[in-house]
Amino acid sequence: ELKVEQNPLFLSMQEGKNYTIYCNYSTTSDRLYWYRQDPGKSLESLFVLLSNGAVKQEGRLMASLDTKARLSTLHITAAVHDLSATYFCAVTTYSGGGADGLTFGKGTHLIIQP
Amino acid sequence: DVKVTQSSRYLVKRTGEKVFLECVQDMDHENMFWYRQDPGLGLRLIYFSYDVKMKEKGDIPEGYSVSREKKERFSLILESASTNQTSMYLCASGVGSIYEQYFGPGTRLTVT
Repeated sequence: ELKVEQNPLFLSMQEGKNYTIYCNYSTTSDRLYWYRQDPGKSLESLFVLLSNGAVKQEGRLMASLDTKARLSTLHITAAVHDLSATYFCAVTTYSGGGADGLTFGKGTHLIIQP
Repeated sequence: DVKVTQSSRYLVKRTGEKVFLECVQDMDHENMFWYRQDPGLGLRLIYFSYDVKMKEKGDIPEGYSVSREKKERFSLILESASTNQTSMYLCASGVGSIYEQYFGPGTRLTVT
């Protein structure tokens, strides 16, 4: 059974600080996804990481993938309040006819305080 | 922009009722998915479909069925709703096997 573990599950931090969210998964996969969810809203795709060593950056967020360690990180640089949200990582599974369902971590609830 | 719409944002049903949740996407995506989201559990895959009339079970298919008669529409059916099916239901669509899935706004279902 594929397991995806995120930590921390809850993070309160101050504006201007740096922090990293970790995502570990239990079986081989070369595709990892990061999503953001604001309260009461749906999921917004942030990054798709397709290979070992992949690194993607968007603004103050940077995601990386180490398939050998089965680990992805989401790094936040100089956090601002607008980044407060819940962040999910997900790994592909259930390959059927070209469609891959996703297995999600439980999410990291991030609060950034002024 | 990809648009995934769900028929209701909020729904209240009684135990034992048959419930239909509808999802429509406008981007001609082959793949469509149904997830449920519960506090502390994250999102869990219920069913998905990679073509019209095709369906595959996900992690938690028990108590659910699906229908995909047209490419753009994917329905989730609760044959006999139970209180443990109270949850947020999210539909998603995608194309190919490496691209991200696009999510709809969700339907918050309460079964009383």
